[in-house]
Amino acid sequence: AAGVIQSPRHLIKEKRETATLKCYPIPRHDTVYWYQQGPGQDPQFLISFYEKMQSDKGSIPDRFSAQQFSDYHSELNMSSLELGDSALYFCASSLVGVRWRNEQFFGPGTRLTVL
Amino acid sequence: AQRVTQPEKLLSVFKGAPVELKCNYSYSGSPELFWYVQYSRQRLQLLLRHISRESIKGFTADLNKGETSFHLKKPFAQEEDSAMYYCAPGAGNMLTFGGGTRLMVKP
Repeated sequence: AAGVIQSPRHLIKEKRETATLKCYPIPRHDTVYWYQQGPGQDPQFLISFYEKMQSDKGSIPDRFSAQQFSDYHSELNMSSLELGDSALYFCASSLVGVRWRNEQFFGPGTRLTVL
Repeated sequence: AQRVTQPEKLLSVFKGAPVELKCNYSYSGSPELFWYVQYSRQRLQLLLRHISRESIKGFTADLNKGETSFHLKKPFAQEEDSAMYYCAPGAGNMLTFGGGTRLMVKP
């Protein structure tokens, strides 16, 4: 079965650069979520989109922005990168409207290293 | 504020021993409750959800609303159960992850 796809899997950037992470949800899923997991930390919710509209917002810095496109893929844009942004960024998708709307399916993550 | 507590960072047991991974939550409303598992070098995946009352890979979890707990249990641990386990209440479109418990099952 198709799973959530994230690209790139690894990304190395320098301070003050920008980065764009991509997420391709499971086909027919309408909701995408972004999480950040720093070294030794638990995943922290950043932001989610339902039907291309932002649905919830967590601890996402103002330097980050995200959107969901017409084909339901999502991109997380990160500007003015800081060393503390080094983390594993997970994307998850779900199908809202079914009984267990919060059952989220996770991608493998993008490991971002800021030097 | 939404909060999830998994008091044990690491739980080490021998194969065949019972396992209980604790989870306590503080959540407004009536959240859905999930356990997610992450095996070595694999993605996070759903293990079980409270509403379905199912047993997956021998694991069960009972929601205790009085104690606001959702502990994960397995009567006989197997080596392949070694992984990181996250308790995650969900409300709206958001999951809140606990700190995770690393389960190590020794032969």
